[in-house]
Amino acid sequence: DGGITQSPKYLFRKEGQNVTLSCEQNLNHDAMYWYRQDPGQGLRLIYYSQIVNDFQKGDIAEGYSVSREKKESFPLTVTSAQKNPTAFYLCASSGNNEQFFGPGTRLTVL
Amino acid sequence: QKEVEQNSGPLSVPEGAIASLNCTYSDRGSQSFFWYRQYSGKSPELIMFIYSNGDKEDGRFTAQLNKASQYVSLLIRDSQPSDSATYLCAVNGGTSYGKLTFGQGTILTVHP
Repeated sequence: DGGITQSPKYLFRKEGQNVTLSCEQNLNHDAMYWYRQDPGQGLRLIYYSQIVNDFQKGDIAEGYSVSREKKESFPLTVTSAQKNPTAFYLCASSGNNEQFFGPGTRLTVL
Repeated sequence: QKEVEQNSGPLSVPEGAIASLNCTYSDRGSQSFFWYRQYSGKSPELIMFIYSNGDKEDGRFTAQLNKASQYVSLLIRDSQPSDSATYLCAVNGGTSYGKLTFGQGTILTVHP
């Protein structure tokens, strides 16, 4: 099956901890993206990557970091510097122009 | 002014009616326009995209684009209760490859 997978589905973090969210795609897409969604809000872009070993900051990159060592994978680390990390995190990929989303990871800070 | 703005909701229509969802954008250089449907607790699903002025139809869905007015809309004909969801408008500004800007979403409820 072709698609985008994200893990875990739910994640709980204590104050001061870094956590890493996984995103994998087998669609052979070049570009990958990370978005954050807060209740009742649209999506805000955190980071995006057009090719392996290259990525750019989106609109709300502070407190987050990414890597793109493989075409299939684009993990997102939520660092302790992110002051309000509780949100729904969505990974997407695109091969030409249309973006498709994974199922999301819901992060809660305890 | 928000970059992408959608009509405020929630929008409630009876089953079988036409639901009209509207979106305006501020970047005149925008090239591509997308509509996503998002059920509660789920991720967005791409349902329509449009690149040229005019109408694009796919089943019960019609996307309409007017670049001069910086306006894009989604019409859902013969609305069904299963269409009840949040609809997100997204715009590709054309300056950054693939980078989308999303509106805040419109909640649609179709009641029997």
